[in-house]
Amino acid sequence: SAVISQKPSRDICQRGTSLTIQCQVDSQVTMMFWYRQQPGQSLTLIATANQGSEATYESGFVIDKFPISRPNLTFSTLTVSNMSPEDSSIYLCSVDLPKQHNEQFFGPGTRLTVL
Amino acid sequence: LAKTTQPISMDSYEGQEVNITCSHNNIATNDYITWYQQFPSQGPRFIIQGYKTKVTNEVASLFIPADRKSSTLSLPRVSLSDTAVYYCLVGNRDDKIIFGKGTRLHILP
Repeated sequence: SAVISQKPSRDICQRGTSLTIQCQVDSQVTMMFWYRQQPGQSLTLIATANQGSEATYESGFVIDKFPISRPNLTFSTLTVSNMSPEDSSIYLCSVDLPKQHNEQFFGPGTRLTVL
Repeated sequence: LAKTTQPISMDSYEGQEVNITCSHNNIATNDYITWYQQFPSQGPRFIIQGYKTKVTNEVASLFIPADRKSSTLSLPRVSLSDTAVYYCLVGNRDDKIIFGKGTRLHILP
């Protein structure tokens, strides 16, 4: 298994500002994922972050709005840039382990409110 | 990725067995069926995974018929703490995990 922590756990931000969310894993993993979960909705994959390469973004998400860093095999950051109230959501990071099929471990999430 | 269809919501009572069925008519030969559980204010948690027939662990059982076009997650003797959203996913090792709408299970006293 993997233990994942996220910082901050929650934040309230003003429109037009940016917030960087950190994700720390207790073991080295190749792939890390960032999801968004809007209130009452399912999870939507934002991007896949591999160490040593550019993140791969899903349709509807762009690097300028959600820049991602992956400096090593245990850490990643997601920045939500130039925020608007529509960005209010829970942001979750996850990792998968090499020997498991489609078994991902999720962090506790970061609850973001944009005023 | 095979599309999945599951009930939007279900209610049950404490002590009952709950069965949540997921349809995945377009499942591919190398796809696995995986279920996740998400409690309020938490990230999803892996529950169980199977390829065919029946799989059982300490949390649940997963029943998969021979044609694999559907699967049923079975939760024995549920309690209030089993109230959560349950997601059925289908894919292989190389697929990204894409979540559907899930089934919102509400356990009543």
